[in-house]
Amino acid sequence: DGGITQSPKYLFRKEGQNVTLSCEQNLNHDAMYWYRQDPGQGLRLIYYSQIVNDFQKGDIAEGYSVSREKKESFPLTVTSAQKNPTAFYLCASSIRAIRNYNEKLFFGSGTQLSVL
Amino acid sequence: QQQVKQSPQSLIVQKGGISIINCAYENTAFDYFPWYQQFPGKGPALLIAIRPDVSEKKEGRFTISFNKSAKQFSLHIMDSQPGDSATYFCAAGGSRQVTFGTGTKLQVIP
Repeated sequence: DGGITQSPKYLFRKEGQNVTLSCEQNLNHDAMYWYRQDPGQGLRLIYYSQIVNDFQKGDIAEGYSVSREKKESFPLTVTSAQKNPTAFYLCASSIRAIRNYNEKLFFGSGTQLSVL
Repeated sequence: QQQVKQSPQSLIVQKGGISIINCAYENTAFDYFPWYQQFPGKGPALLIAIRPDVSEKKEGRFTISFNKSAKQFSLHIMDSQPGDSATYFCAAGGSRQVTFGTGTKLQVIP
C-alpha cells in the first residue's frame, strides 16, 4: 500500500522535553509538509521541504525543527521552546512543490500530541 | 492573518438536502482552490479542486462554484448523506504552499 505513515498516533510530552514525530512516505514524492491542526483554526503550515537536505519555514515554525536527510522521511521535533504544543499534527506530501491545480496533498493519519 | 475565510463553522443538514460552505480569499496570486474532506481521527483527503479560469466544476454530488471578481468560492453537496458527515476545509494555493480555511463541521442527520 502506498501512502504516508505517521507515528506514534498519540504522544505525551513532559515539561522541558523535546519530542520527535515520525513521518515516512513511499509515494516517491519530492515535497513534504508538516501542518498543525487546532480546533477552529484549520491547518497551519509549520515547515515544508521540496527536496532532500532543504526545508523552509512555514507560518508557525517557532519552537519546531525538521530534517530531510532522505526523500522518504521528514521528522518533526517539537522542542521545549514550543510553549503550547498540544495539537493534532499532520504530515503531508505532494509529487512536486505546489505550483498548479494538479498538485494535491496526500495526508497521513496524524499524531495527537498532548502535554503532561 | 487569515488569508482564507471559511463559513459557517458548523452546519447541520437533513438527509437529502443541500450543504453549502463558503470561502473567501484575499491574495489575488492564489491560482489553485481545492477542497479537502476530513473524518475524525484521520488526515484530510482531496475532494475536488478548481482552476481560477473556470466558474464551476462538478464531480458527482459535489460542485465548486468560483467567482474570481468577488474572490469567493463555495462547495455545494447535493443530496447530502449521513456518510458526508465530516469536516470540510477550503484552501487556496500559490506558488509553493497551500493556505487552508478554518474548516466547517458538517453533520447530516437522517
